[in-house]
Amino acid sequence: SQQGEEDPQALSIQEGENATMNCSYKTSINNLQWYRQNSGRGLVHLILIRSNEREKHSGRLRVTLDTSKKSSSLLITASRAADTASYFCVPTQGGSEKLVFGKGTKLTVNP
Amino acid sequence: DAGVIQSPRHEVTEMGQEVTLRCKPISGHNSLFWYRQTMMRGLELLIYFNNNVPIDDSGMPEDRFSAKMPNASFSTLKIQPSEPRDSAVYFCASSSPDRLKLFFGSGTQLSVL
Repeated sequence: SQQGEEDPQALSIQEGENATMNCSYKTSINNLQWYRQNSGRGLVHLILIRSNEREKHSGRLRVTLDTSKKSSSLLITASRAADTASYFCVPTQGGSEKLVFGKGTKLTVNP
Repeated sequence: DAGVIQSPRHEVTEMGQEVTLRCKPISGHNSLFWYRQTMMRGLELLIYFNNNVPIDDSGMPEDRFSAKMPNASFSTLKIQPSEPRDSAVYFCASSSPDRLKLFFGSGTQLSVL
């Protein structure tokens, strides 16, 4: 198992702007997951991208994956105050491995 | 489905007392994870189970911590004796075998005075 490293650690934007968060990892993966954690709540799965995919969309979320650079990005378009949360990436091999989380990116969307 | 259910939601106890946290995973999920989250250390994996069997407990901080999963629908995390530095939010999560998605409970906020 490995944990992703999110960058930046903190990001503050205005409502309506786009937010981009990045994730790097060290060894080859089968897929990469993104999670969101609102303050005081459990983490919520947002999206999964497989190693043979380069881009994936879900609503206002766009995730990219570059396996050659061992990196992923999460773009939130037209951000809202409700998007204020911490975001985590989890690179995985699949199977019965343990899943570990990094420190995340803390996103603040100002109204 | 009700999701992953954790109890209690909040626990305040005094140093030296035994604390038991409970988790009911989603029906049909065969993997269960216990995490601890603090500002200083982030989200730490304590232990995880596959098919009720503990697979990796290397994250359990000390012998004061123990976890059990007597059946597929119930797990406990016990701290005995508790210490102030155990104060944290403890999360339980479950997943299906493919690990493609983790479902988290709402957490237990533990305060040890």
